[in-house]
Amino acid sequence: DQQVKQNSPSLSVQEGRISILNCDYTNSMFDYFLWYKKYPAEGPTFLISISSIKDKNEDGRFTVFLNKSAKHLSLHIVPSQPGDSAVYFCAASVSGTYKYIFGTGTRLKVLA
Amino acid sequence: DTAVSQTPKYLVTQMGNDKSIKCEQNLGHDTMYWYKQDSKKFLKIMFSYNNKELIINETVPNRFSPKSPDKAHLNLHINSLELGDSAVYFCASSQDLRRTDTQYFGPGTRLTVL
Repeated sequence: DQQVKQNSPSLSVQEGRISILNCDYTNSMFDYFLWYKKYPAEGPTFLISISSIKDKNEDGRFTVFLNKSAKHLSLHIVPSQPGDSAVYFCAASVSGTYKYIFGTGTRLKVLA
Repeated sequence: DTAVSQTPKYLVTQMGNDKSIKCEQNLGHDTMYWYKQDSKKFLKIMFSYNNKELIINETVPNRFSPKSPDKAHLNLHINSLELGDSAVYFCASSQDLRRTDTQYFGPGTRLTVL
């Protein structure tokens, strides 16, 4: 049972436009969410996080939105740059469990 | 300087063999993890250690045995390798067990069992 789902395996966006990556979850107990970025032959690197007490968190070109009622979060990248081309994973955790459940990733390709 | 390093990067071996993957972090972190990313790209936690103490063991077969000789190292030993063990294994570390602590991942070890 996959509790964190990224239903779009890939996404292509023109440079300078907005990239929107989506993530859905089924466990209403999740209260902390993260996005990781992964380049080929490297491990994932932390990008941005959000607690369930917020509905938005922004860090430079990256904004994460959380819609708890829909059990949905999204990562917006604007403007998108070719260096943003990578696989993006969302992850979620429940307080006290000390672990994250990861989605399967979305491969973003930003076209120059 | 590499923050979290793993060796080897690639490992090809026969079914039934025993192999180890080593992980070292130079970040001074207290907590280390092993993740498995299978062919379907699911990235799942296997183990976590905090100050050399096992915290999470996610129903991993007991053929997998983590060993933490000190806080900076968490090695993964796998006995009697099976075809289904083929995957990319990532080591990670974080300052502590707090969920808000960023996890730093190693580059991964691609294990292929023939």
